[in-house]
Amino acid sequence: QVQLVESGGGVVQPGGSLRLSCAASGFTFSSYGMHWVRQAPGKGLEWVAFIRYDGSNKYYADSVKGRFTISRDNSKNTLYLQMNSLRAEDTAVYYCAKDSPLYGVADYWGQGTLVTVSS
Amino acid sequence: EIVLTQSPATLSLSPGERATLSCRASQSVSSYLAWYQQKPGQAPRLLIYDASNRATGIPARFSGSGSGTDFTLTISSLEPEDFAVYYCQQRSNWPLITFGQGTRLEIK
Repeated sequence: QVQLVESGGGVVQPGGSLRLSCAASGFTFSSYGMHWVRQAPGKGLEWVAFIRYDGSNKYYADSVKGRFTISRDNSKNTLYLQMNSLRAEDTAVYYCAKDSPLYGVADYWGQGTLVTVSS
Repeated sequence: EIVLTQSPATLSLSPGERATLSCRASQSVSSYLAWYQQKPGQAPRLLIYDASNRATGIPARFSGSGSGTDFTLTISSLEPEDFAVYYCQQRSNWPLITFGQGTRLEIK
């Protein structure tokens, strides 16, 4: 069965950096695009970034453009999110999610990893 | 950017009742709308895609309808496990997907 396991969250000071990882299993990772979606405490879902199956194209929300970088290593079945110049408003649970290419939805999600930006 | 507005913000109902949740788009998204369910401490779960298609394993009491700018998620007879937060999501400019702000379905 599809499994997505995020890691790398933690507490970081404003202006700092963090790299999140998402280990995928149970499907052919190299065949699917992947999303990062975040959820601030008590708030709704916010799409963050997307990467195509082969890493050829990357897309970002305006709120993170120029600060966050999505990448993937298909040989390791792993998705990444490099987060730089972190701000308090980046505090959230970060989910990785598998894209369903036919329907443009996130059909499988990880359990999330919490990022807290605080001094 | 397409904005999705969900209503009501909170819906209070009893088990066995029918729930009707609404999602309105700021411009047409054709039928490219999905619904997710999220329970406390859990990741979202896909319920409906392309406005009216149930995802794998989703019970038949969940149904979706609509097109263009107005969409509805209906739960025909609420079970205790259905009380959760529901989000709509559009994909008309995929992969730049956007979500509504959510509707909390609570036990009356």
